Amino acid sequence: GAGVSQSPRYKVAKRGQDVALRCDPISGHVSLFWYQQALGQGPEFLTYFQNEAQLDKSGLPSDRFFAERPEGSVSTLKIQRTQQEDSAVYLCASGSQGYYEQYFGPGTRLTVT
Amino acid sequence: GNSVTQMEGPVTLSEEAFLTINCTYTATGYPSLFWYVQYPGEGLQLLLKATKADDKGSNKGFEATYRKETTSFHLEKGSVQVSDSAVYFCALSGAGGGADGLTFGKGTHLIIQP
Repeated sequence: GAGVSQSPRYKVAKRGQDVALRCDPISGHVSLFWYQQALGQGPEFLTYFQNEAQLDKSGLPSDRFFAERPEGSVSTLKIQRTQQEDSAVYLCASGSQGYYEQYFGPGTRLTVT
Repeated sequence: GNSVTQMEGPVTLSEEAFLTINCTYTATGYPSLFWYVQYPGEGLQLLLKATKADDKGSNKGFEATYRKETTSFHLEKGSVQVSDSAVYFCALSGAGGGADGLTFGKGTHLIIQP
């Protein structure tokens, strides 16, 4: 079956622009996670949804970052007024309730110029 | 808070060599432990996992044992192949049932030479 998909795969934004990154999880997966991966580093947790409820947003680095999953399937990560330090790969992962495995998408590489 | 430390790379080995990538962790309670692999140009894939102390995870010839006494989860393979060249990430999950985000190490780049 289809895996986790993310779009766009690459995004170049000028500093100060707003961006929206989309994640389509595996059908039926209750859990959805967003991570930020800087160059040469491991992914860092941003936020977690169970269905449409955002249960943990402790990893969001500032109030410029906002995530939503209004119908419990597709999720969007929005970054307002992008800064150069926001340049990274943004990964989405989904999982079944009660299972530990997270299935990752290919990521969106965001470059802020 | 939770943290994962893994050996710095790159690690360069010849084909058929024995592989160990060290991973230690700090966590409260009883985390679940994972190894993820990222092949060139591909996304992160779960390689193996262990959910309680003394469990051994294994897949594709790789093994790792959850050692609570040493807070370690070292990755091993008896005979590596060129196709094993990738970046390997050790990770932990603090809550049961996959209900929280993973904490990752920085990754170890493995290069296998023919």
